[in-house]
Amino acid sequence: GNSVTQMEGPVTLSEEAFLTINCTYTATGYPSLFWYVQYPGEGLQLLLKATKADDKGSNKGFEATYRKETTSFHLEKGSVQVSDSAVYFCALQGNTGNQFYFGTGTSLTVIP
Amino acid sequence: EAQVTQNPRYLITVTGKKLTVTCSQNMNHEYMSWYRQDPGLGLRQIYYSMNVEVTDKGDVPEGYKVSRKEKRNFPLILESPSPNQTSLYFCASSLRAVDSYNSPLHFGNGTRLTVT
Repeated sequence: GNSVTQMEGPVTLSEEAFLTINCTYTATGYPSLFWYVQYPGEGLQLLLKATKADDKGSNKGFEATYRKETTSFHLEKGSVQVSDSAVYFCALQGNTGNQFYFGTGTSLTVIP
Repeated sequence: EAQVTQNPRYLITVTGKKLTVTCSQNMNHEYMSWYRQDPGLGLRQIYYSMNVEVTDKGDVPEGYKVSRKEKRNFPLILESPSPNQTSLYFCASSLRAVDSYNSPLHFGNGTRLTVT
């Protein structure tokens, strides 16, 4: 079946530090992969996406590369800001297109 | 403003008392879905709908019902709530699920349900 595993949090970083949040997946076929971000008290918002192997999604300084050989989609940012503090979810869309599978979420806190 | 609206934001109820959580979107989206978010488990899909009168089960449908009589509305019904349904619920929509690359999920702000 389909599933997503992402690194446990919480993660606390100082401003301008490098961020990596690991995400690996199990899926049949070729799923689309996503990172969503959730700010306190809000719903999830799409951060970035990739639909095929070696695609790199990017947005707001965040990047993730679809690695089929390692079934991974790790999220990175070179220099985090306090405003990046949020919960980050890795997700995949199953082959039928109707079902989405989310990881458990990783809470990030960036301190000045 | 394009949005997904859920109501209520907070709900406390007792075991067995039927309740409905409403979800409405103003983007003419075909696809809508419900999720529950629990600590350590992330978001799990309850039900989804591809279009009006077309619904199907997600990963955790037990104890829930949905209906899609109009394109904009997708209510979640708990006919006999139990304490294990205490959770944070999210509704989401997209133009077409199969075209998610160009039509990401738009989420509501959530409904926190407590069943005592």
